[in-house]
Amino acid sequence: EPEVTQTPSHQVTQMGQEVILRCVPISNHLYFYWYRQILGQKVEFLVSFYNNEISEKSEIFDDQFSVERPDGSNFTLKIRSTKLEDSAMYFCASRGDQPQHFGDGTRLSIL
Amino acid sequence: GDSVTQMEGPVTLSEEAFLTINCTYTATGYPSLFWYVQYPGEGLQLLLKATKADDKGSNKGFEATYRKETTSFHLEKGSVQVSDSAVYFCALSPYNNNDMRFGAGTRLTVKP
Repeated sequence: EPEVTQTPSHQVTQMGQEVILRCVPISNHLYFYWYRQILGQKVEFLVSFYNNEISEKSEIFDDQFSVERPDGSNFTLKIRSTKLEDSAMYFCASRGDQPQHFGDGTRLSIL
Repeated sequence: GDSVTQMEGPVTLSEEAFLTINCTYTATGYPSLFWYVQYPGEGLQLLLKATKADDKGSNKGFEATYRKETTSFHLEKGSVQVSDSAVYFCALSPYNNNDMRFGAGTRLTVKP
């Protein structure tokens, strides 16, 4: 069965540095998402992306965040200047029809 | 806005016990409802779904029925196994909307 793949599985970054999290959605899917899960807390929606533009974003997704689909297969989440509170598990998801299919996540640790 | 509220747990059961994890939702329109499971150290896996009232989703012995009259989507399993130990998330996708709203998650531990 096709899968959403995310790399790296664990990213450790110094506070203030830029980080890019990468995702390869399922190939025939058209809708792409990023979610975040702070340790022990609920999964929170960050952003959705369709037709090469952001379709919705939450209040968490501020100017420090950006998304891009640079080459028709990858879907990236960039955090420009990381903060300690950005430490979390970040999940990518994609869908054709419902439901969304999730990757295994990237654990981001900010030092 | 649309949201889900689920029993937070943690829930600890003995093997072969009956499981219920409550989930209720608030929504305008007709959302789709889901249960996702997260095993230790892994991502979110779809467990089951229901897209309209009175639909029953089922998978791996788990069931949940979309009940519009009580705005609920409770997860049940008749006989849990140690391998069912995980965190279970109730989720909603609003009608005519794009994102997924998750409950807080319920950690289930099943003891032999």
